[in-house]
Amino acid sequence: DAGVIQSPRHEVTEMGQEVTLRCKPISGHDYLFWYRQTMMRGLELLIYFNNNVPIDDSGMPEDRFSAKMPNASFSTLKIQPSEPRDSAVYFCASKAVNTGELFFGEGSRLTVL
Amino acid sequence: GESVGLHLPTLSVQEGDNSIINCAYSNSASDYFIWYKQESGKGPQFIIDIRSNMDKRQGQRVTVLLNKTVKHLSLQIAATQPGDSAVYFCAESGGGSNYKLTFGKGTLLTVNP
Repeated sequence: DAGVIQSPRHEVTEMGQEVTLRCKPISGHDYLFWYRQTMMRGLELLIYFNNNVPIDDSGMPEDRFSAKMPNASFSTLKIQPSEPRDSAVYFCASKAVNTGELFFGEGSRLTVL
Repeated sequence: GESVGLHLPTLSVQEGDNSIINCAYSNSASDYFIWYKQESGKGPQFIIDIRSNMDKRQGQRVTVLLNKTVKHLSLQIAATQPGDSAVYFCAESGGGSNYKLTFGKGTLLTVNP
């Protein structure tokens, strides 16, 4: 299996622009998680899905952030409009039901100028 | 003065020595714990996990110890190798239907050849 696949790996954009991060979970995994990692705050859970349904989005920082999972093999995290403080590495992770292990992607490093 | 960013605890060891990385957690309801390893530029990678009904679990060269009385978790790495150099995170979950993993701030392990 190719593992969790994220794109883009790096994105540099200007304040105010829309950013879309993409994730393909491991096939057969029922849970998908979006995390954000910064030096200041470490790894923070933003939102997670079970069977494509958002279960807990309490970590989403503001209304500028939104996440969707239209099917079992694809999820997006969108920031509109982006701000410099959104600069971070965004990780997607997936897991199978009845297992605890999260499999992480390689991350998307976002820089907002 | 004001902290610019996370000051990661660091541990520096000589190749071949044993390493012990510690983690304190605060949620007494947590019943599932995981250790992750994160190399520079990569996503976190699962090392070992333990449930709260156990106090010790061993893997290949790694051992996790759980002390629920003082809410403390440790990761022991035997015969540390340069490839073990990374940031190590503990994570906890409330278990049941709660699959939110809350990550600690991490410890930077440096192995000197």
